[in-house]
Amino acid sequence: EADIYQTPRYLVIGTGKKITLECSQTMGHDKMYWYQQDPGMELHLIHYSYGVNSTEKGDLSSESTVSRIRTEHFPLTLESARPSHTSQYLCASSARLPPYGYTFGSGTRLTVV
Amino acid sequence: QQQVKQSPQSLIVQKGGIPIINCAYENTAFDYFPWYQQFPGKGPALLIAIRPDVSEKKEGRFTISFNKSAKQFSLHIMDSQPGDSATYFCAASIEGRGSTLGRLYFGRGTQLTVWP
Repeated sequence: EADIYQTPRYLVIGTGKKITLECSQTMGHDKMYWYQQDPGMELHLIHYSYGVNSTEKGDLSSESTVSRIRTEHFPLTLESARPSHTSQYLCASSARLPPYGYTFGSGTRLTVV
Repeated sequence: QQQVKQSPQSLIVQKGGIPIINCAYENTAFDYFPWYQQFPGKGPALLIAIRPDVSEKKEGRFTISFNKSAKQFSLHIMDSQPGDSATYFCAASIEGRGSTLGRLYFGRGTQLTVWP
């Protein structure tokens, strides 16, 4: 079944640790996105990619980095986690051709203590 | 700058009521307007979408009304049920071919509660 998977679902980690949030999709979508969702629900685009070896920063400044070495995989890395990184992180993908509706993963809830 | 403005931020209705969520945009190049529904612990899921060549689209109990001249669109939920309690996001994008097209701009979300 075509889908988008995020792991882990929940993560509690200490300040200063390096973490990688995984996102994989089986739909062959070219475009992938990372959103940070705050407790007030709003979705903030932090990174996106329109294909392999293509990555761009989004609207919200983020200390995270991303890579896109394979079409299906779009991991997000925090080199040194801080309490301000505590949030819900959502990964999404969309096709190269219209309609461009996104498919979202279930998210990773990150808590940095 | 918020590309898509959504209101209200929260909405409470009784079962059977018709909640209405409104969105407005400025960019006349937008030509695809989806709505997403998000339940707690889940990612948003596509609910219904409309293009500006029609003024209304219905799918089950969900209806999008679109006013191109006013640059506004809204979601109506007929005969609302407690199971409709969720966060709803409107969005807009520019369709067409090209690697930079198709990015969705989301509203800030509306938290809907339907009381039994």
